[in-house]
Amino acid sequence: SAVISQKPSRDICQRGTSLTIQCQVDSQVTMMFWYRQQPGQSLTLIATANQGSEATYESGFVIDKFPISRPNLTFSTLTVSNMSPEDSSIYLCSTGGTGSGEKLFFGSGTQLSVL
Amino acid sequence: SQQGEEDPQALSIQEGENATMNCSYKTSINNLQWYRQNSGRGLVHLILIRSNEREKHSGRLRVTLDTSKKSSSLLITASRAADTASYFCATTGGGNKLTFGTGTQLKVEL
Repeated sequence: SAVISQKPSRDICQRGTSLTIQCQVDSQVTMMFWYRQQPGQSLTLIATANQGSEATYESGFVIDKFPISRPNLTFSTLTVSNMSPEDSSIYLCSTGGTGSGEKLFFGSGTQLSVL
Repeated sequence: SQQGEEDPQALSIQEGENATMNCSYKTSINNLQWYRQNSGRGLVHLILIRSNEREKHSGRLRVTLDTSKKSSSLLITASRAADTASYFCATTGGGNKLTFGTGTQLKVEL
């Protein structure tokens, strides 16, 4: 299992600014995943972050808007850049088992509101 | 998209009753998982059923999988107020990438 500490838990930001979300895992993990959950919606994968390489982004998400860092095997950050009200969502980091499609462990989420 | 669809979207029951949620998906899968989310926070893994399994139990949870119909159901027996949450199914066709369903909001009233 893995315990993930995610912060901030919530923030209210002004349009045009950026917010960096941090996730710290209590053990070394190969992959970390970043999800977005828009109000009342399901989770959508933003990108997969591997240590030592560029993150892999899903269709519809770009590095300029959502830059990700993965400096070591226990830590990752996601930045939401040049925010607009449409970025208001819950952002979640997660990590999974080493097997194919094994269960994920999630951080507690960051609830972002953009005014 | 392989995103699953769940029904009902919302379910309200009395404490002690059983709650059944259904998930349908579109493509072949390696496994199907169910997660719970309380009040828009992080998700908690409940149970995983592999494509070659038909039924699985964990405490008050019972999951079935019908790969011929591309569907799964989650049954929560003897529900409690603490079961109030959103429930999501998630599937993978390979690799570590999970695709989440649309979710069912369950409310258990005293």
